[in-house]
Amino acid sequence: GDSVTQMEGPVTLSEEAFLTINCTYTATGYPSLFWYVQYPGEGLQLLLKATKADDKGSNKGFEATYRKETTSFHLEKGSVQVSDSAVYFCALIKWDSNYQLIWGAGTKLIIKP
Amino acid sequence: ETGVTQSPTHLIKTRGQQVTLRCSSQSGHNTVSWYQQALGQGPQFIFQYYREEENGRGNFPPRFSGLQFPNYSSELNVNALELDDSALYLCASSFGGGAGEQYFGPGTRLTVT
Repeated sequence: GDSVTQMEGPVTLSEEAFLTINCTYTATGYPSLFWYVQYPGEGLQLLLKATKADDKGSNKGFEATYRKETTSFHLEKGSVQVSDSAVYFCALIKWDSNYQLIWGAGTKLIIKP
Repeated sequence: ETGVTQSPTHLIKTRGQQVTLRCSSQSGHNTVSWYQQALGQGPQFIFQYYREEENGRGNFPPRFSGLQFPNYSSELNVNALELDDSALYLCASSFGGGAGEQYFGPGTRLTVT
């Protein structure tokens, strides 16, 4: 079945460091891919998305490119801030599965000042 | 514009009891999806309601059931609670059967003792 795998956390970085959180997926057909963020005590928020191969999603300095050849959607940011500390979830969705989101396990990111 | 709200925020139930969780969708949305998020894991799709009909179901037993009302708010009912039902229950609203972006509520934390 369809699945999403993301790197285990926690990932601990210093402020202004470069961030990469790896995400790979297994799916038939042509899923859309998402990154969601969950700040402490808050609900899930859509961070960025890409709907087809080679699309790049971007928001708040974060970027991810839909790579069909490597079935990957890695999240990157050039310079992280303490306020980026949160749990990040990679997810996919397909039209032929009633648009249910299929999620990775989440990666906790800790940014130290 | 009112966001997605859920009630209650927290509750504690005993094994074997029944529970009802509520979700108010965002204005203009006609679809509600429910997810279960166990501690340290990604959300798992329970089911989706679109225009008052169930529109897809994940791998959850029949004791998980739901309703959607004419105003598109929704309930999740769980009968015969088990310890493993302890989790954060998330609802997400969207427009058009889930094809649109899903907006998440803050969740209901259920503890079964």
